[in-house]
Amino acid sequence: EAGVVQSPRYKIIEKKQPVAFWCNPISGHNTLYWYLQNLGQGPELLIRYENEEAVDDSQLPKDRFSAERLKGVDSTLKIQPAELGDSAVYLCASSLTFGTVGELFFGEGSRLTVL
Amino acid sequence: TQLLEQSPQFLSIQEGENLTVYCNSSSVFSSLQWYRQEPGEGPVLLVTVVTGGEVKKLKRLTFQFGDARKDSSLHITAAQPGDTGLYLCAGPPSTSGTYKYIFGTGTRLKVLA
Repeated sequence: EAGVVQSPRYKIIEKKQPVAFWCNPISGHNTLYWYLQNLGQGPELLIRYENEEAVDDSQLPKDRFSAERLKGVDSTLKIQPAELGDSAVYLCASSLTFGTVGELFFGEGSRLTVL
Repeated sequence: TQLLEQSPQFLSIQEGENLTVYCNSSSVFSSLQWYRQEPGEGPVLLVTVVTGGEVKKLKRLTFQFGDARKDSSLHITAAQPGDTGLYLCAGPPSTSGTYKYIFGTGTRLKVLA
């Protein structure tokens, strides 16, 4: 079974440019997460989807970040315009949530460098 | 504000030594998970603890959930170079819904051969 797929793996852009990241979760997983991770630190939650509904986006900087999950499957995270401080790894995870506990399966991440 | 604080932040030990990593919070968590992350990859789940006071063992790794469900620990016996990585605790705060997983600050472990 294929895991969570993210693209691109690496992206280098100039500040003020737009950038987009794509995530294809594990088939059948209803919950999708976007996290931001700085080097050596724990991931920080940006947004969580249950099916196509964003149920938690309180940590998403909405002035420059946007996300969507079409038809409750693939998801795209966009930054426009990018700032120097946005340089980080953007992780996507999916989970099949039922009962009280879910396991998060992560993609390899998209590493963004803003110059 | 980081709800889950891990200590130590960094740990470098010799092969064969024992170590303990701590994950602490002032908030109650519905459950706690431990993940390990290697460079260039996403975190991978090691274990989930659900009940206060629960202890789980995974080969040389022992995980404990605090009685009040506010803290957890990971103990590694006879560490090996293959244990090297970033260890992360994570869980949903009891007040935030079942599937809102918040991650800890991370502990970077390096085991020297």
